[in-house]
Amino acid sequence: QQQVKQSPQSLIVQKGGISIINCAYENTAFDYFPWYQQFPGKGPALLIAIRPDVSEKKEGRFTISFNKSAKQFSLHIMDSQPGDSATYFCAASHTGNQFYFGTGTSLTVIP
Amino acid sequence: EAEVAQSPRYKITEKSQAVAFWCDPISGHATLYWYRQILGQGPELLVQFQDESVVDDSQLPKDRFSAERLKGVDSTLKIQPAELGDSAMYLCASSLVTGRGTGELFFGEGSRLTVL
Repeated sequence: QQQVKQSPQSLIVQKGGISIINCAYENTAFDYFPWYQQFPGKGPALLIAIRPDVSEKKEGRFTISFNKSAKQFSLHIMDSQPGDSATYFCAASHTGNQFYFGTGTSLTVIP
Repeated sequence: EAEVAQSPRYKITEKSQAVAFWCDPISGHATLYWYRQILGQGPELLVQFQDESVVDDSQLPKDRFSAERLKGVDSTLKIQPAELGDSAMYLCASSLVTGRGTGELFFGEGSRLTVL
């Protein structure tokens, strides 16, 4: 059973555009929602994370929007750049327990 | 900057052979995870350690996979015998659980296994 559902599977955006990736979860016990960025041949690296006590978190061009009632969260990449081309994974975790990852979104930013 | 060390980076083996992967987490991180990532998919947990104790190994194929973290620091993941379907990236990660709950998960660069 997929604990975290992610969409879209792939995304192509023009340079300067906004990239939006969505995730949904079922387990209301999750208390930590990170987004990871992965380049080919590398391990995932934390991009930004949010806890359910806030509805939005912004770090530079990256923003997480969190909707607790809908059990959804999304990543917005503003002013997308070719260097942002990578695979993005959402994840969810409950304190001390394993992280559940989405299936990933392959982002391509066209110059 | 502290990082999770993994070796080997790449391993090619024949079916039915034994393989082993090593991981050294960030110093002070009590929680260590082994994940398997099949190409084009998200990481899936194989085993989670808290210090030297296994917290969750429900997804570990115990007939062929084993993992240990004897002194609660570095860890070894072994596959014996390897099967074609084991071809994947094996990722080690560590985290520091604080009073605020789950902390950031730090991944190593992974060990890419190809079984022929």
